[in-house]
Amino acid sequence: AQSVTQLGSHVSVSEGALVLLRCNYSSSVPPYLFWYVQYPNQGLQLLLKYTTGATLVKGINGFEAEFKKSETSFHLTKPSAHMSDAAEYFCAVREWGSQGNLIFGKGTKLSVKP
Amino acid sequence: GAVVSQHPSRVICKSGTSVKIECRSLDFQATTMFWYRQFPKKSLMLMATSNEGSKATYEQGVEKDKFLINHASLTLSTLTVTSAHPEDSSFYICSARAARAGTEAFFGQGTRLTVV
Repeated sequence: AQSVTQLGSHVSVSEGALVLLRCNYSSSVPPYLFWYVQYPNQGLQLLLKYTTGATLVKGINGFEAEFKKSETSFHLTKPSAHMSDAAEYFCAVREWGSQGNLIFGKGTKLSVKP
Repeated sequence: GAVVSQHPSRVICKSGTSVKIECRSLDFQATTMFWYRQFPKKSLMLMATSNEGSKATYEQGVEKDKFLINHASLTLSTLTVTSAHPEDSSFYICSARAARAGTEAFFGQGTRLTVV
């Protein structure tokens, strides 16, 4: 069965510092991978996705993620954190054989200190 | 990106009553819609998958008689929580996907349900 593990339920960085949110997946088939951001009491907004092709994926708001098959990882990074980046971040893998359902990690809450 | 509108964004209802949540795809035809439930400080758990014109497929442990899902058109799916109890209080999120292979699903804004 496919699964997603996000290391660290809470990450705190200073404004301007590097953001690194970790995501590891398990899948026996080539995965489709996603990162979503959720602000309080709101739905999910897609940050970026990996399906095929280039393993370094650039998303919105300056975020990027690199698919590393050998490490089964898809970590999310941003060179310089902004206060507005404070939110909950979810990594997800598309469930193989489903109609497009996503299997989510437990989420990582990002706090940004001034 | 495509827009999915979920309504209402928050609702408070009394125990024993029913509440309906709507999920609309505004600028595309959603052949498949997903309903998720998010517990506090937890991830999203898939409740059911619905395809237009057919019965929803419920995940294990989800009561189909309690959480009624209807996907009567290509732009609208509804989730009705029947005989609501305080333990049904949660954040419910829908997502919608078009028919083309490889298309991603787009999420609604979510509905905060509080049962008092």
